[in-house]
Amino acid sequence: DADVTQTPRNRITKTGKRIMLECSQTKGHDRMYWYRQDPGLGLQLIYYSFDVKDINKGEISDGYSVSRQAQAKFSLSLESAIPNQTALYFCATSERDTQYFGPGTRLTVL
Amino acid sequence: AQSVTQPDIHITVSEGASLELRCNYSYGATPYLFWYVQSPGQGLQLLLKYFSGDTLVQGIKGFEAEFKRSQSSFNLRKPSVHWSDAAEYFCAVEPRTASKLTFGTGTRLQVTL
Repeated sequence: DADVTQTPRNRITKTGKRIMLECSQTKGHDRMYWYRQDPGLGLQLIYYSFDVKDINKGEISDGYSVSRQAQAKFSLSLESAIPNQTALYFCATSERDTQYFGPGTRLTVL
Repeated sequence: AQSVTQPDIHITVSEGASLELRCNYSYGATPYLFWYVQSPGQGLQLLLKYFSGDTLVQGIKGFEAEFKRSQSSFNLRKPSVHWSDAAEYFCAVEPRTASKLTFGTGTRLQVTL
């Protein structure tokens, strides 16, 4: 869905590096989410935000941090990347009870 | 804790055949129910959702799903599969009191010609 964009789409980095994944949306939604997807595990919630001043941890927040710079922007950071953070990362937005997903960022940590 | 089970990891069907993907959930109260599809290299696209009312829900691309309260199930169906339906399908639930989705582990659909 072009209304939710993620940058970069692919990233290869080394262990210990700081990485930021960015998400932008033009839907005007207040709620934004970050998920990671691992083969065979579905999607797991990392962090979510219901508005600019409201940030909440999800199921697997350890090793991650987020920043909600504006209603339209929600960034995910890996302060010191490790190999088991290699995954596909999705951003999503929602209005009421339906979430809309971005195209994903494939992150590889060597 | 709520959970979502998709018992079939991988399903193969012939083009033109019917399809049913299974989804069972465990939750105290009936949650909101969703099916998403993920094509290779793509994000997740919403196929359909159930909030209340008619238990047979119509979605995009000719898909439908039936909510069965007695079985805690929300199975996805399509009468005639097309080769372009090959993708991974995720069932998800959301409690009515919180905007957080819990996903199943997904079912990968392969379509043979």
